[in-house]
Formats: sequence, C-alpha cells, structure tokens
Amino acid sequence: NAGVTQTPKFRVLKTGQSMTLLCAQDMNHEYMYWYRQDPGMGLRLIHYSVGEGTTAKGEVPDGYNVSRLKKQNFLLGLESAAPSQTSVYFCASSSKPDRPTYEQYFGPGTRLTVT
Amino acid sequence: DQQVKQNSPSLSVQEGRISILNCDYTNSMFDYFLWYKKYPAEGPTFLISISSIKDKNEDGRFTVFLNKSAKHLSLHIVPSQPGDSAVYFCAAYRDSWGKLQFGAGTQVVVTP
Repeated sequence: NAGVTQTPKFRVLKTGQSMTLLCAQDMNHEYMYWYRQDPGMGLRLIHYSVGEGTTAKGEVPDGYNVSRLKKQNFLLGLESAAPSQTSVYFCASSSKPDRPTYEQYFGPGTRLTVT
Repeated sequence: DQQVKQNSPSLSVQEGRISILNCDYTNSMFDYFLWYKKYPAEGPTFLISISSIKDKNEDGRFTVFLNKSAKHLSLHIVPSQPGDSAVYFCAAYRDSWGKLQFGAGTQVVVTP
C-alpha cells in the first residue's frame, strides 16, 4: 500500500517549457487535490477533483490545467512554465468528506524550479 | 486573503517542556480544524483535529484547544521531544467539497 505517490520528485524547467506532474493513489479515494507550497504562504489549493472525470478550480488555478481520467490518477499540467511557478507541489487525496473525518493524505511532493 | 493565520513562523523549545502553537481564523463558517505535521522533503501528515462543537481534543501528547468566540485554536505538545521538530500547519475545513484552508505554518525546533 503505497498511499499517494508523485512523479517526478524534482524538475528544472526553462521559462516557456511544459510539463506534467503525475499523482497516483491506491486508497480508492474519490477526492484528489493539487497544492503548491511557497515560503510564508502555507499550502494553497490549485485544482481539485471530486471524482473520475471531474475537475474544479481552487484558489490559484491560473497557469495550470488538470485531468482525472482514472480514479487513481490526477495529473497537473503546466503549459508554459513561468518563474512564478517555482514551488513545491503536493498532491493529496481523501475519501468523500464526512464527519468526523476530513483528513487528506499527502504525497511526498515535487520540487519544481523554473529558470 | 488569508483566512487562517499562524502568526509565529518559528518556535524553539527545550526537550521535555511544553510547545504551544497558535492559529487564528477569520471565517466563522469553518466548522472543523486540523493540524498537520511536516518533515523536510516529505508531505504533510495528519496529526489531530477538532470539531467546532468541542473545545478540546486530546491524543497522547497532543491536545488541541478551540475558542470559537475568539476564533482561535492552539496545539499543545507535552512533553516536547526531538522528533517533534517539524513544521506544523493549522487547517480549517470549508464547504462540502472537502477543501481545506491552510495557515502558513510554524517551524518547531526542539532542543536537547
């Protein structure tokens, strides 16, 4: 049981390049999330999905796109990378939120640098 | 607009003493609060939570207190251990889509 895995762990991009970050979970969770973590900002939600084939915007969606073609996978795409997208990206998953559990399970993160 | 605020970016405490981490929120619609712990190069892991209908929740060395009237919660770690050195994020639950609003985090360093 690997939990939430993220690929790749590190990446350096030049401005204007594109890439896709892959998140996979083996907990049969309905909900999946992409966050970015920047110094002094905590974790900010980029996009999320409440089920296979669905996606929705979070707090900071500009410059990113996502897809959830399979329940276990959630992809985050950067079409034209910018230095402002230098960050650590975390994927998370959860079962359908219901009391008393609102816990999200996080992957180990992807450190992205855009030069 | 940060609705969840952790105003202390860092905290240093001696091993065996109490660590107190604070978190303030502005949105009275939040009804569930969580604390996450994060080690370097790892993802955050769930630590403890509290519902807005309670004012205290304990789990071993960790206790979370909620003061709804002040829109304030705190995490107490007693006694603090070197393995507690990490970044702690406060998070508040909002709306039925399962979205969490996170604070900026507090770096805790436990010294021998």
